Amino acid sequence: QVQLQESGPILVKPSETLSLTCTVSGGSVSSSYWTWIRQPPGKGLEWIGCIYHSGSTNYNPSLKSRVTISLDTSKNQFSLKLSSVTAADMAVYYCARDPWGYWRFDLWGRGTLVTVSS
Amino acid sequence: QSALTQPPSASGSPGQSVTISCTGTSSDVGGYDYVSWYQQHPGKAPKLMIYEVTKRPSGVPDRFSGSKSGNTASLTVSGLQAEDEADYYCSSYVGSNNLVVFGGGTKLTVL
Repeated sequence: QVQLQESGPILVKPSETLSLTCTVSGGSVSSSYWTWIRQPPGKGLEWIGCIYHSGSTNYNPSLKSRVTISLDTSKNQFSLKLSSVTAADMAVYYCARDPWGYWRFDLWGRGTLVTVSS
Repeated sequence: QSALTQPPSASGSPGQSVTISCTGTSSDVGGYDYVSWYQQHPGKAPKLMIYEVTKRPSGVPDRFSGSKSGNTASLTVSGLQAEDEADYYCSSYVGSNNLVVFGGGTKLTVL
């Protein structure tokens, strides 16, 4: 079955760029819609943005100036870059699938905790 | 975009029913039938329980049901079981900005 796995540095310095990759196994990134969601420790979920199989993107307006989501079909991956991070960006970052573009997330990665600290 | 409003906690005894509300606006919950509910156990990723207000993914027990009235969506868990104890989050599509907003989460305790 389709599985998602996040990977990337788990410690990022303030003002630097957070970079995460989600590898899709058992399926293709060339179908469906792909999303990043984060959850600060002890807090709720926040939608970061999504990328369609066409490559077009939508971002949370509160993060839009700092976020880039991209697709690499050759590696069957999609990625998140968040620039100029602060302590407020410390969170568990999840990648997830929206199977039909109807704004529901039926498949999630296990999540990766990214710490922002010097 | 403001988060959807959920009660911070809810509780019920085994076998009972409990309903969790999720209040938004006419720009999100009230305007579209793209409301979803997620269950999250500690240290785990969220799991989709309800989508498009009332639909259940394959494998989700029919004890879980969803509904909507105006700007408020609801998740009802019937026949509460110990394993239902978890955090529950609602989400909704926001058409004006083509994005998703989540509720603050509700911690469900099975007494």
